[in-house]
Amino acid sequence: DSGVTQTPKHLITATGQRVTLRCSPRSGDLSVYWYQQSLDQGLQFLIQYYNGEERAKGNILERFSAQQFPDLHSELNLSSLELGDSALYFCASSGPRGGEQYFGPGTRLTVT
Amino acid sequence: DAKTTQPNSMESNEEEPVHLPCNHSTISGTDYIHWYRQLPSQGPEYVIHGLTSNVNNRMASLAIAEDRKSSTLILHRATLRDAAVYYCIRRGGAGSYQLTFGKGTKLSVIP
Repeated sequence: DSGVTQTPKHLITATGQRVTLRCSPRSGDLSVYWYQQSLDQGLQFLIQYYNGEERAKGNILERFSAQQFPDLHSELNLSSLELGDSALYFCASSGPRGGEQYFGPGTRLTVT
Repeated sequence: DAKTTQPNSMESNEEEPVHLPCNHSTISGTDYIHWYRQLPSQGPEYVIHGLTSNVNNRMASLAIAEDRKSSTLILHRATLRDAAVYYCIRRGGAGSYQLTFGKGTKLSVIP
């Protein structure tokens, strides 16, 4: 158990819909990262937040957005969903100086 | 661009040591070498990281070449639970600490 929790575990939705994925970091960790893992693209970094502020952006689509709240939990919002958005979405957290990242169990999103 | 090169797959017998190689010939002086592994149906798991010196922890050892252009992750006694995809990652020393994953090495452990 990494200490990072993600909900829901599974999500099935239709194209064009909007979903929200939630992540709670390990106690004390200020950084939250979101990654997407698909069969064709592998594991890709999407976005990082540090103590409520966006720190870095990776291959995140404009239809996707994220935020980190004062209690440090984070949400990833995916809108206008397409079939190709079907993937595993992982959240990770780390301490202030980076070092190791601790990954949650992931949310499996299926878009039909 | 993952900037590291690893074999696609490797096999090891159970209870034998495993050496997983990684090439990172364009590494900069401030890049750390991180290793993560991903067991089936789980999120990636941190294994070890280092900058210049060899590193040991309870999971593995990391041997970094003197010129830092390559490194080797060493599992001292492979168990069936070590069967996973192992990712070698260059990570910057400051600023964003995002991880850029490549395809990794799929390690199979034979009983």
